[in-house]
Amino acid sequence: SAVISQKPSRDICQRGTSLTIQCQVDSQVTMMFWYRQQPGQSLTLIATANQGSEATYESGFVIDKFPISRPNLTFSTLTVSNMSPEDSSIYLCSVKIPASSYEQYFGPGTRLTVT
Amino acid sequence: AQKVTQAQTEISVVEKEDVTLDCVYETRDTTYYLFWYKQPPSGELVFLIRRNSFDEQNEISGRYSWNFQKSTSSFNFTITASQVVDSAVYFCALSEVGTSYGKLTFGQGTILTVHP
Repeated sequence: SAVISQKPSRDICQRGTSLTIQCQVDSQVTMMFWYRQQPGQSLTLIATANQGSEATYESGFVIDKFPISRPNLTFSTLTVSNMSPEDSSIYLCSVKIPASSYEQYFGPGTRLTVT
Repeated sequence: AQKVTQAQTEISVVEKEDVTLDCVYETRDTTYYLFWYKQPPSGELVFLIRRNSFDEQNEISGRYSWNFQKSTSSFNFTITASQVVDSAVYFCALSEVGTSYGKLTFGQGTILTVHP
């Protein structure tokens, strides 16, 4: 397994602003994922972030709204830009450990409320 | 396209009852992985089990057991002698090996409430 931390754990933001969420893993991983969980809903993949390449976004998610950085094998950030109340969700990062297996572990999540 | 269905939106039981959470999946791949995760009120997603499509043996871990049946595309989860601490949202998820990055497709989740 892996120890995954996220910052911040929660935040309340005003509409129109941006928030950057950090995800730190205690071991090197090739693939990191960002998921969104809207209130009372299931998890939806936003994008896959591989170190050294551009993030791959799922249908319905765009880079301008959710820019992602992956500067090294243990760290990634997700920015929620120009926020609206509809962006209020839990954002979770996930890693695949090790790269060849299909075990995926999740960070504790970031609870975002947009007012 | 892959799809996961958890038909039970909410289940309520009394402590010590057994409870089964259903999961039905759809995939065109012959090789895939199935997962169960637990999400307690704290919001963190806790990994419970991963099963690959070639291993249909049922698995037991303490009070937890999983029944994988490819013939019916089901991967059901049973909690024996439920406890209040089992109260959580449980998600079933699918990952197709053909998808190079192991994208997880989640079901809608089942809210389990165990009453004392």
